[in-house]
Amino acid sequence: QQPVQSPQAVILREGEDAVINCSSSKALYSVHWYRQKHGEAPVFLMILLKGGEQKGHDKISASFNEKKQQSSLYLTASQLSYSGTYFCGTEERDNRLAFGKGNQVVVIP
Amino acid sequence: AAGVIQSPRHLIKEKRETATLKCYPIPRHDTVYWYQQGPGQDPQFLISFYEKMQSDKGSIPDRFSAQQFSDYHSELNMSSLELGDSALYFCASSLGTGLPNEKLFFGSGTQLSVL
Repeated sequence: QQPVQSPQAVILREGEDAVINCSSSKALYSVHWYRQKHGEAPVFLMILLKGGEQKGHDKISASFNEKKQQSSLYLTASQLSYSGTYFCGTEERDNRLAFGKGNQVVVIP
Repeated sequence: AAGVIQSPRHLIKEKRETATLKCYPIPRHDTVYWYQQGPGQDPQFLISFYEKMQSDKGSIPDRFSAQQFSDYHSELNMSSLELGDSALYFCASSLGTGLPNEKLFFGSGTQLSVL
């Protein structure tokens, strides 16, 4: 079951904040976040496990609400390097990570 | 540090031909995943292997097959190629049983164009 990501696209200025969301209709074991720049491979950002934890990576943090089957990624004081497509991957059972359609983030000077 | 290596980087084939894509995981990684990503699309899970055995199967067409060898590298074999098979094919690897605790490391992908 593919997770749903929203909004589809975000445009923000350098230094601004943004939140992007990932939700699933099924119970999740974990949520992964990856960022992909055009023509490149997806790059791992973080994993969130059951337990409602929050994780951070530089000024990018995320939360996982397992009851709501949702995860949110917080881009704080965004930098130009944050531009890319953010994919959440959700794991419903072992060894399969299903990706959402992605959130395209564009950071402009 | 060593990364996931995929070859070839680009591949051009004609309809009904066959293609073989190769993936060399990060040393000591024993789990390999294959994903297909169409233009502007999200990566679609095809198949995964753990310790040389198929561990899960996704939306992989019957025309495709894959295996993981004793040195843990994996090959994706695609036959009777169709125009719709044109896509970027990513291989990813992880250590151990993979999910949910292990992050995936992606290769640079093989861009397959079917003419």
